[in-house]
Amino acid sequence: NAGVTQTPKFQVLKTGQSMTLQCAQDMNHEYMSWYRQDPGMGLRLIHYSVGAGITDQGEVPNGYNVSRSTTEDFPLRLLSAAPSQTSVYFCASSRQATNTEAFFGQGTRLTVV
Amino acid sequence: GDSVTQMEGPVTLSEEAFLTINCTYTATGYPSLFWYVQYPGEGLQLLLKATKADDKGSNKGFEATYRKETTSFHLEKGSVQVSDSAVYFCALSDPRGAGGTSYGKLTFGQGTILTVHP
Repeated sequence: NAGVTQTPKFQVLKTGQSMTLQCAQDMNHEYMSWYRQDPGMGLRLIHYSVGAGITDQGEVPNGYNVSRSTTEDFPLRLLSAAPSQTSVYFCASSRQATNTEAFFGQGTRLTVV
Repeated sequence: GDSVTQMEGPVTLSEEAFLTINCTYTATGYPSLFWYVQYPGEGLQLLLKATKADDKGSNKGFEATYRKETTSFHLEKGSVQVSDSAVYFCALSDPRGAGGTSYGKLTFGQGTILTVHP
């Protein structure tokens, strides 16, 4: 039972490079989301999706793109990496948007130099 | 907008001590409340939840009661163990976000680091 799988676990980028963080879930959940975790700030929502083909911005979307072509996958793209995007990124999924448990991946630690 | 405030950490306790981590919230609607725990090197996992006023969530000896009158959801455990060392996050899910649209995002507190010594 894999749950939510994120790759890679660690990544170092140079300023200006682009990359995609992968997220896949095998629970047939409609709702998926991306958060970033920074010290002393909890987790902040970057983008979310309520189903295949439907995405929307969270509270800190600038510099990130998402797409949802299948129920299972929800990749996060960094268009032109900046040092301010150094963070730990978590993907989450849940059966519905509210009142239900969110399942989190193990996270991707990204450093932009 | 929605917000969650947790007590400042880190918290350091001896094994078998009593634990309280305070959490208060503000929300535009009638939220569900959660405690998530993050063990070292892992993602967050749900510890307990409550969906309406006066509900008590409980799991693994931890408890929290949804107090609408004080907008609080404090986490308690009567006797902590070394294995409870982790980061604890209080969170809310408000079905009606800003602008009245159904949003459903989780709003997190800043997290409280708990270290339990033998």
